[in-house]
Amino acid sequence: DAKTTQPNSMESNEEEPVHLPCNHSTISGTDYIHWYRQLPSQGPEYVIHGLTSNVNNRMASLAIAEDRKSSTLILHRATLRDAAVYYCILRGAGYALNFGKGTSLLVTP
Amino acid sequence: SQTIHQWPATLVQPVGSPLSLECTVEGTSNPNLYWYRQAAGRGLQLLFYSVGIGQISSEVPQNLSASRPQDRQFILSSKKLLLSDSGFYLCAWSRSPRGTEQYFGPGTRLTVT
Repeated sequence: DAKTTQPNSMESNEEEPVHLPCNHSTISGTDYIHWYRQLPSQGPEYVIHGLTSNVNNRMASLAIAEDRKSSTLILHRATLRDAAVYYCILRGAGYALNFGKGTSLLVTP
Repeated sequence: SQTIHQWPATLVQPVGSPLSLECTVEGTSNPNLYWYRQAAGRGLQLLFYSVGIGQISSEVPQNLSASRPQDRQFILSSKKLLLSDSGFYLCAWSRSPRGTEQYFGPGTRLTVT
């Protein structure tokens, strides 16, 4: 699977939007872009995924660059419960989800 | 709705002792099941996956084994634990073999002393 690059950490104020970037310059044409998040001492939680078009769901939005070499997870109004490690994962044909180190999001009141 | 259970939540075991971690899924049939391990400060590593009863595939060579005696039950075992087996063990399920979304259980934190 192709590799993703994310900042180690980001910080946001509560109730403000958060834009979490992910670079994936070696993405193949069939790789889906997935985002999961993991709260401390819990299992990962699926957030959103997309292929080419921008996607919205109740948790977040995913903006995908036209060349698909980068994407951004958008949390429209951060809450304290959104503090977690966010993983950007390229999903190819394999069974495994290849979690890297992700971005640790700190939300301050 | 579907739920996934894991137990125990925490476990402290001496080196050389056996291990059995259990995972069960409710509210779905024929799930694809996965065991992951997360070592301290590292990402998740897929250990085993199963597409059906008795069908187990291993992703990495290791001291552990897995079994699926029933459709919605997945067990992770070891005959003799090593210090390097310490970590956070996560069970997950998906609807298809390469399902888009995987749903994770609460995890078992294993410390081998």
